[in-house]
Amino acid sequence: EIVLTQSPATLSLSPGERATLSCRASQSISASLAWLQQKPGQTPRLLIYDASKRATDIPARFSGSGSGTDFTLTISSLEPEDFAVYYCQQRHNWPDTFGGGTKVEIK
Amino acid sequence: QVQLVQSGAEVKKPGASVTVSCKASGYIFTNYAIHWVRQAPGQRLEWMGWINPDKGNTKFSQKFQDRVTITRDTSASTAYMDLYSLKSEDTGVYYCVRENVYGSGSYYIGQWGQGTLVTVSS
Repeated sequence: EIVLTQSPATLSLSPGERATLSCRASQSISASLAWLQQKPGQTPRLLIYDASKRATDIPARFSGSGSGTDFTLTISSLEPEDFAVYYCQQRHNWPDTFGGGTKVEIK
Repeated sequence: QVQLVQSGAEVKKPGASVTVSCKASGYIFTNYAIHWVRQAPGQRLEWMGWINPDKGNTKFSQKFQDRVTITRDTSASTAYMDLYSLKSEDTGVYYCVRENVYGSGSYYIGQWGQGTLVTVSS
């Protein structure tokens, strides 16, 4: 199965700063990648699908890029509500797999 | 609106089985696949399996395929996940998730149930 490796594990930033999260696949997954956000006590929420397309109602400060094996989620200017855990997920090959997550915490 | 409501928390002994239900509302149940995802403490999200509620066909992760069944009752708009031969490592939160279609035909998981905590302990 495809292994997704996210880095860094934790990102300590201040509100207003730019966040750059990485997800690397063990083999090419074309652009079949999603990014999800999970806040404490909540279920995950889809932010980005097909590597770069924002889901409905997702603010423009969230953007995704990449294809093949290297992907990036960028939050252009962190809002207080953006401090959460972010997961990548691939749907290119069965079974679906998830990355280990990046926690974005307040510095 | 789309809602997935799961059954309540369970405490089981090793070797036992558990059934988690997922009742859907707000949409036509047979139109969208239901996935099951596990989140164990300190572990990454794990995809367990999938059911097509219309035809009832299923697919499972190799990790779980010998110990899991997924079924549905279309008259009740409910999906069920049974996990057998429980081990302590099966402790975690189990989610049902509805598949959505995004853009011009990309399928990704969308709405999540609230999760069901399953604790396996002697």
